[in-house]
Amino acid sequence: DGGITQSPKYLFRKEGQNVTLSCEQNLNHDAMYWYRQDPGQGLRLIYYSQIVNDFQKGDIAEGYSVSREKKESFPLTVTSAQKNPTAFYLCASSIAWGDEQYFGPGTRLTVT
Amino acid sequence: EDQVTQSPEALRLQEGESSSLNCSYTVSGLRGLFWYRQDPGKGPEFLFTLYSAGEEKEKERLKATLTKKESFLHITAPKPEDSATYLCAVLPRGSSNTGKLIFGQGTTLQVKP
Repeated sequence: DGGITQSPKYLFRKEGQNVTLSCEQNLNHDAMYWYRQDPGQGLRLIYYSQIVNDFQKGDIAEGYSVSREKKESFPLTVTSAQKNPTAFYLCASSIAWGDEQYFGPGTRLTVT
Repeated sequence: EDQVTQSPEALRLQEGESSSLNCSYTVSGLRGLFWYRQDPGKGPEFLFTLYSAGEEKEKERLKATLTKKESFLHITAPKPEDSATYLCAVLPRGSSNTGKLIFGQGTTLQVKP
């Protein structure tokens, strides 16, 4: 089955620790994205990548970092510099930049 | 400023009671409008893409339409399994928003049996 996987589904961390969220897709999509979803707010774009080995900051990139070394993988690191990291994180991909995006199941991160 | 507004925020329907969800947008040129369904604790599921005014798409009990200023998601004879949050997203044309989707805050639909 083709799709997008995110792991883990739930993640708990102590304040001050960096944490990496996994996102893998086997759809052969060029573009990948990371969003953050908070209650009462729309999805906000953190980082995006139009093609392997290239990525760009989205609207709320501060405190986050990414890499895109393989077409199928786009991991997100939430660093200790992110002031409010507790949220639901969604990874998405599209055939190309600007096409409809397909989302993974999400990772709920709780930092205490 | 590019903006997407969905209304109502929440909608309660009885099973079989048809209704419509609204997505109003203000963008400097529309490249595409997308509808998604999101169940609690899950990622959004893609439903439709609309590109130009007058376009319509259908899937089971759902029908999406597009005008120059808004899109409607019509739900005909809904069932309890249609209960979810429906998200609208717009892809603006233009250099200031090159390819980034702008999401509305969603409409949470509850269908009672």
